[in-house]
Amino acid sequence: DAKTTQPNSMESNEEEPVHLPCNHSTISGTDYIHWYRQLPSQGPEYVIHGLTSNVNNRMASLAIAEDRKSSTLILHRATLRDAAVYYCILRDAWGGGTSYGKLTFGQGTILTVHP
Amino acid sequence: SQTIHQWPATLVQPVGSPLSLECTVEGTSNPNLYWYRQAAGRGLQLLFYSVGIGQISSEVPQNLSASRPQDRQFILSSKKLLLSDSGFYLCAWTGGAEGYTFGSGTRLTVV
Repeated sequence: DAKTTQPNSMESNEEEPVHLPCNHSTISGTDYIHWYRQLPSQGPEYVIHGLTSNVNNRMASLAIAEDRKSSTLILHRATLRDAAVYYCILRDAWGGGTSYGKLTFGQGTILTVHP
Repeated sequence: SQTIHQWPATLVQPVGSPLSLECTVEGTSNPNLYWYRQAAGRGLQLLFYSVGIGQISSEVPQNLSASRPQDRQFILSSKKLLLSDSGFYLCAWTGGAEGYTFGSGTRLTVV
């Protein structure tokens, strides 16, 4: 599985934007970039995913570099409820190879949001 | 809409006792199903995945086994628990290229 590299931790102030970086220099052409977050004592929650183009949804935006070797999850206005561990994961395209679209979690980035 | 149910929420079991955790999905058919474990203070480790009834793939050799007796039912079992089996167990499903949906998890403590 292609690997990702994320900072161990980041801090932000409430109502400010947060940019969470992720490096994935060995990404393959069929890998989707997925982001999940995990609040304490809960299961991970899907945030957003993309392949080549930038993506927006109600939770966040995903900016993907032109060479796809890095991406950035953008929380436009951080709230205290956004404090969580954020995981950037590469996932094989559905139906490709033998990996059956498995998600392999790394250590993620611990986001702390200050009031 | 699709929902995933996982139970029990917490479990305390003695070493050497059996284990059975159940996960069911509603509102979809032929989902891919997954069991993950998260040890205290660590990341999520994929244990098993299933692409269909009776089809189980193991990611890590261990004291656990999984079964999928029905399309939307995934069971994690152990014949004899070890202390090292303690952790937060999560079931997840996906139907395609979209994201995974995780259950609420079972916190298992082996004493």
